Amino acid sequence: GQQVMQIPQYQHVQEGEDFTTYCNSSTTLSNIQWYKQRPGGHPVFLIQLVKSGEVKKQKRLTFQFGEAKKNSSLHITATQTTDVGTYFCATGGGADGLTFGKGTHLIIQP
Amino acid sequence: EAQVTQNPRYLITVTGKKLTVTCSQNMNHEYMSWYRQDPGLGLRQIYYSMNVEVTDKGDVPEGYKVSRKEKRNFPLILESPSPNQTSLYFCASRLSSGAANSPLHFGNGTRLTVT
Repeated sequence: GQQVMQIPQYQHVQEGEDFTTYCNSSTTLSNIQWYKQRPGGHPVFLIQLVKSGEVKKQKRLTFQFGEAKKNSSLHITATQTTDVGTYFCATGGGADGLTFGKGTHLIIQP
Repeated sequence: EAQVTQNPRYLITVTGKKLTVTCSQNMNHEYMSWYRQDPGLGLRQIYYSMNVEVTDKGDVPEGYKVSRKEKRNFPLILESPSPNQTSLYFCASRLSSGAANSPLHFGNGTRLTVT
């Protein structure tokens, strides 16, 4: 199945700074889903992107799907302590399920 | 409330002692799957099921069994657990395998320790 590489693995930011995580593939992706997992919690779906060049926003979160559909990014503007957690990208979702990236751990220092 | 329910939340056992982790969903979802989460490795799929009586191996199926006798339940069975199966396990469900746009709904997780 399709595979995705996610970077960085860890990101420390000061509260109020911006944060970006990237998801890359060597092959064209059918879709990208993004999930957030709070410490001690379970992954929760955030959004799905399917179109080339697609950009979607949820308040301070901006999600992009590359023109070639080989990469995606999640950008958080002015991080808050509630943004702490691990952000996963995932692709696929057909018969054999989703393949997840290894995640980016966001650590916020007040 | 729509949810995926796993039990138990925490489990400590010894090598070789058979165990079952239960998973139930109340959303009438056709598709269910099991993942394990390990530091540095992310979420890896163990087994999945597209519908009742239909199961298939994921990326890391060795040492695990599943069954899907009813639509709502998808238990994970470890016949002879070993320490390398110490992990955080998540059950998840989705509307159907053909509904690629539908998100995965995860249970709260089961933290298993095998000594």
